[in-house]
Amino acid sequence: RKEVEQDPGPFNVPEGATVAFNCTYSNSASQSFFWYRQDCRKEPKLLMSVYSSGNEDGRFTAQLNRASQYISLLIRDSKLSDSATYLCVVIGGGINTNAGKSTFGDGTTLTVKP
Amino acid sequence: DTGVSQNPRHKITKRGQNVTFRCDPISEHNRLYWYRQTLGQGPEFLTYFQNEAQLEKSRLLSDRFSAERPKGSFSTLEIQRTEQGDSAMYLCASSLFGPEAFFGQGTRLTVV
Repeated sequence: RKEVEQDPGPFNVPEGATVAFNCTYSNSASQSFFWYRQDCRKEPKLLMSVYSSGNEDGRFTAQLNRASQYISLLIRDSKLSDSATYLCVVIGGGINTNAGKSTFGDGTTLTVKP
Repeated sequence: DTGVSQNPRHKITKRGQNVTFRCDPISEHNRLYWYRQTLGQGPEFLTYFQNEAQLEKSRLLSDRFSAERPKGSFSTLEIQRTEQGDSAMYLCASSLFGPEAFFGQGTRLTVV
């Protein structure tokens, strides 16, 4: 079983739809959580941090559930430009207290159609 | 452009040859990360530096891979005796103190 798992999709949604992605992680000692966006053949770009209290940035909302060990990303009012692969990343939690090791999921592909 | 810079952008090499990639992080970023990414997969962690110290190295990394960051600024990743399975995008990222990292455009390696 992978340390970080995402539904690969693809998610095909019409413009204006609300779509949610989940990401589960296996290491309960993980310390930091983020969502990245990756366009085809481009580098990943940081989208937002994820906190237990929730984090909202415009149409995007991220949430962490430590008890169930998953993070979520909600996109409201989808735009064509939201089409991309969304990667979750979990950081830290190793035996070494250093928090540098990061584990990415394999991404969820979103296609927003007119 | 003050983003993360990686060179070369593309590298084609014959199996068995050694290759070296360079990463220049965002100025004053003290953390630097190397990842490998293949099609359909997320970035796979290789190693991590804080300043010049290599603090984490993936167990997946064989002895053919080595990375350095001698002065705490740019970093190099060397792959010795390349194999076809090494063909991938090699990504570098940097961050300032915290884990929020910014990626370079990557070096695409093709081993023939």
